[in-house]
Amino acid sequence: DTAVSQTPKYLVTQMGNDKSIKCEQNLGHDTMYWYKQDSKKFLKIMFSYNNKELIINETVPNRFSPKSPDKAHLNLHINSLELGDSAVYFCASSQEGFGRAYTFGSGTRLTVV
Amino acid sequence: QKEVEQDPGPLSVPEGAIVSLNCTYSNSAFQYFMWYRQYSRKGPELLMYTYSSGNKEDGRFTAQVDKSSKYISLFIRDSQPSDSATYLCAMSPIGADGLTFGKGTHLIIQP
Repeated sequence: DTAVSQTPKYLVTQMGNDKSIKCEQNLGHDTMYWYKQDSKKFLKIMFSYNNKELIINETVPNRFSPKSPDKAHLNLHINSLELGDSAVYFCASSQEGFGRAYTFGSGTRLTVV
Repeated sequence: QKEVEQDPGPLSVPEGAIVSLNCTYSNSAFQYFMWYRQYSRKGPELLMYTYSSGNKEDGRFTAQVDKSSKYISLFIRDSQPSDSATYLCAMSPIGADGLTFGKGTHLIIQP
């Protein structure tokens, strides 16, 4: 059973479209995240959600919006897609405690054309 | 200066060699230090996790943290072709939810 699952794995779309990426974790973790990995493999945090409360929002354009229907899900909505949004988006989860060890999903490769 | 510096490589070594991977950082508040391994087109997976300074060993992997020098290392003994991947260091202060990652080092183990 996959611990953190993302759908879709691949997403090709045109500029200006709106798209969503879904994420689910079955680990019982209390916090979920979205990270963006650019073409140079650099991972940077976008959002963090704990008990449906946004904790971190790292200078991400407001075209990006996380939606958490419940503790096990954190979806990412992107409006008016731009070429520069092309990247791999990773969902992750962690449990509060002695530091935080993330479990990552396998990623969604977004290509905007 | 970036918060976390990591040589992107590629680093190519023969099978069986000892591999040394390193990161330097500038934020003295970092207390938790992790190493992730990422295979091509996969998500990062946690390899090692350490708190503050010191060493930690797990099988063929040893993580070292030197907070005085703001320098962390990952050693891989008896390297195998299956160790070929990108290795990412990550760190965070106490109480923070987000991790700051290095850019990753691409490691190639030659059979």
